[in-house]
Amino acid sequence: QKEVEQDPGPLSVPEGAIVSLNCTYSNSAFQYFMWYRQYSRKGPELLMYTYSSGNKEDGRFTAQVDKSSKYISLFIRDSQPSDSATYLCAMKVTGGGNKLTFGTGTQLKVEL
Amino acid sequence: GAGVSQSPSNKVTEKGKDVELRCDPISGHTALYWYRQSLGQGLEFLIYFQGNSAPDKSGLPSDRFSAERTGGSVSTLTIQRTQQEDSAVYLCASSLEGGGNIQYFGAGTRLSVL
Repeated sequence: QKEVEQDPGPLSVPEGAIVSLNCTYSNSAFQYFMWYRQYSRKGPELLMYTYSSGNKEDGRFTAQVDKSSKYISLFIRDSQPSDSATYLCAMKVTGGGNKLTFGTGTQLKVEL
Repeated sequence: GAGVSQSPSNKVTEKGKDVELRCDPISGHTALYWYRQSLGQGLEFLIYFQGNSAPDKSGLPSDRFSAERTGGSVSTLTIQRTQQEDSAVYLCASSLEGGGNIQYFGAGTRLSVL
């Protein structure tokens, strides 16, 4: 079983919809949680990062972390065709090295 | 440069040949990371450099893989005697400090081993 599980999709939604992307994890030592967006043939770019549990909002994006359930989410409001990409969750422990552990990514398509 | 630069962007090689992949991190970033992205597998950590400290090589899949970072800046990932299962996108990232929470990625090198 992988440390981080993420549904690969593809997920197809109409423009304007609210999108919910999720990851579950098994390592309770993870303290830092990130969401990256990756367009085709590009490198991942950081969208959101949070430390420990709680919510964080940035424009149309909201990240949620529930450490008790080992579950993280990314919500995209008023989705746009330009949001079509692969979304990767990533996690890191504190003081245990600096590698990020990634989910496999969810492919999202926002249709007109 | 403005971002992490990787070269070549694409590399096709024959099984058994050696390849070198280059990464030029963001100026001033002290930490540098290599990851591998295979189809359906997500990003897999390979190696991490921080300043003059010994690199964390815990993610290298075999002794055919090695990396070095000269002068605390440019890094080269070398794969010897390439195998078809080495075909993947190799991504480099850098960060401002050793905490590594915010890693900035290059566009990657797409390696195809025939």
